[in-house]
Parts: sequence; structure tokens; C-alpha cells
Amino acid sequence: GQQLNQSPQSMFIQEGEDVSMNCTSSSIFNTWLWYKQDPGEGPVLLIALYKAGELTSNGRLTAQFGITRKDSFLNISASIPSDVGIYFCAGGPAGGTSYGKLTFGQGTILTVHP
Amino acid sequence: GAVVSQHPSRVICKSGTSVKIECRSLDFQATTMFWYRQFPKKSLMLMATSNEGSKATYEQGVEKDKFLINHASLTLSTLTVTSAHPEDSSFYICSAKPGTSSTEQYFGPGTRLTVT
Repeated sequence: GQQLNQSPQSMFIQEGEDVSMNCTSSSIFNTWLWYKQDPGEGPVLLIALYKAGELTSNGRLTAQFGITRKDSFLNISASIPSDVGIYFCAGGPAGGTSYGKLTFGQGTILTVHP
Repeated sequence: GAVVSQHPSRVICKSGTSVKIECRSLDFQATTMFWYRQFPKKSLMLMATSNEGSKATYEQGVEKDKFLINHASLTLSTLTVTSAHPEDSSFYICSAKPGTSSTEQYFGPGTRLTVT
């Protein structure tokens, strides 16, 4: 089945630094989504990407849908302590009758030191 | 918008009993809901896809008789863990997808199940 490789697995950064994480796949996706999960909570949708090459920002977050449709990255600029959490990428299906099932990356655990 | 609630947020039950978890989309209709299980610091593992008015589709390795899913309305899906055992202890999260064309899923806050 489809798999997503998300990297890095974890990051330890100082407050104010920029962060970059990415996901790659051997299969194409029609949608790329980025979620953030706080401890003990459900994931929250940060950014949704629908077109190859699309670059979208949401405040300090910027994400891009790779031109090959097999990868995406998420950047966080000027990190703050509340950015701490687990970030997941998710790929939306390229067709078929999957009812919109998402394929998730393994997650990137972000720690921000004040 | 796109708020999903889950109840209960935490539940402790004895081995052999059944537990029901509710997932509701509060401000939209969800033709499809998904149930996930998550282990500590791990990714989300899809258990089943639930379509309103029809039987759920279970992922390989998930016992449908143990994890009963009912999607009786466009805003409510339930997951019942039957005859729970300690190995069923986990974080269960639902998500809901607005409409038939959307890919975006909106997640509930999760339910922490502990089976003693």
C-alpha cells in the first residue's frame, strides 16, 4: 500500500529558529494536508494543498505541494514555545473508491526550547 | 467551523466489559467518518471507514466483531469496543469528512481508553 516517509522524526530547536519538515511518497496524491497534534488531543488541520506546485501560507506556516505530487514540505518561521507538538503530513487519494482515506506520515516531534 | 466532538474523553473499564465512544460533527454533515487508534508518539492507525447508513469498512487486521461501528446519522458515529481487554487500552480518535468531494478530515479530541 501507499506509504509516506516523513522526516525528520524529531527536532529540538531554540525559540526563534525556523523549522522545516517534509514528506515523500512513492505514489502520487491529489491532496496534501498538514496537521498538528498536541499531547492528549486530536490532530488539528493546519494547511491543505490541492494543486501540484501550490505554495500556501497560514501565519508563520508555509507548505508546498511538490510538483511531482509525491512530496510536500512544511516550514515554520520564528518558532515559539506553543509550536511544540507532533506534526503529521497526510496524502489524499489520487482516485478510486477509497472514500477519501488519508495516508499519514510517521510524524515529526517538535520541541522548542525557550 | 468543522468542529468534531468525542465522548467520553477518558474512560476506565474492567476487562470483559464493553465501552461505547461517540463521535459527533457539530456544525457540518459528515457522510464519512473514520476511526483511528494511536499508540504513544506514533502515527494514526486507521481502523475503519464509516459511511452513513451503510456498514463500516474495516482495515486489514481489525476485528469487526470486536470494534462495532454504527453511523446512524450524518452527524453521529459510534465505536463500541466489545469485551475489552487490557491490550485494547489506547487513544481512539475519530475524524469526519464534510461532503463527498472533500478530502479534508477534521478530528475529534480523542478518547483515552484504559482497560484494567
